[in-house]
Amino acid sequence: QVQLVESGGGLVKPGGSLRLSCAASGFTFTDYYMSWIRQAPGKGLEWVSYISNRGTTIYYADSGKGRFTISRDTARNSLYLQMNSLRAEDTAVYYCARHFGSGGGFDPWGQGTLVTVSS
Amino acid sequence: QSVLTQPPSVSAAPGQKVTISCSGSSSNIGNNYVSWFQQLPGTAPKLLIYDNNKRPSGIPDRFSGSKSGTSATLGITGLQTGDEADYYCGTWDNSLSAVVFGGGTRLTVL
Repeated sequence: QVQLVESGGGLVKPGGSLRLSCAASGFTFTDYYMSWIRQAPGKGLEWVSYISNRGTTIYYADSGKGRFTISRDTARNSLYLQMNSLRAEDTAVYYCARHFGSGGGFDPWGQGTLVTVSS
Repeated sequence: QSVLTQPPSVSAAPGQKVTISCSGSSSNIGNNYVSWFQQLPGTAPKLLIYDNNKRPSGIPDRFSGSKSGTSATLGITGLQTGDEADYYCGTWDNSLSAVVFGGGTRLTVL
């Protein structure tokens, strides 16, 4: 079945770095755009970044521009998010999600990985 | 402050119908498709509606979506206690070049 599994979250100090991974299975990875979406504790959804199916088009939310880098490895069927210069406000559950439909649809979502930025 | 505006909460009795609104602008809802997501407590969001009014396979027809101008609406009929969740709308914003979500609406089935 179609599945996304995130990993790489954890506790990091302000200013530190973390690399999130998302392993995809059950579908042709190179056919789909992919996104990272996050949710701070008790808050709503915030889109972080997307990458086109071939990796040629990338967008970032303003909150991550210059600090976050999205990438994908077709050989490993994996999506990544490199996060540098982390701040307390980056604390959130980070989900990877497959784009679905013509715009703004995501299905499925992974189970999420928690990133905590604290000293 | 979210780009898309949703009511913070709605409630209705089991078996009744409820609608959740999502208001935006010409740079987002007015010119792009809208999706709706359900997030049950402690779980990842799930796609309910995409492309304004389409349901992915497995989503019951109790859930429906519509769009008019710069607003969209999620409708849920035959409410069940299992429908208690947070609901989010989302779409692309042409001015921000970003995906935007509403702030979320908590549904309580009384």
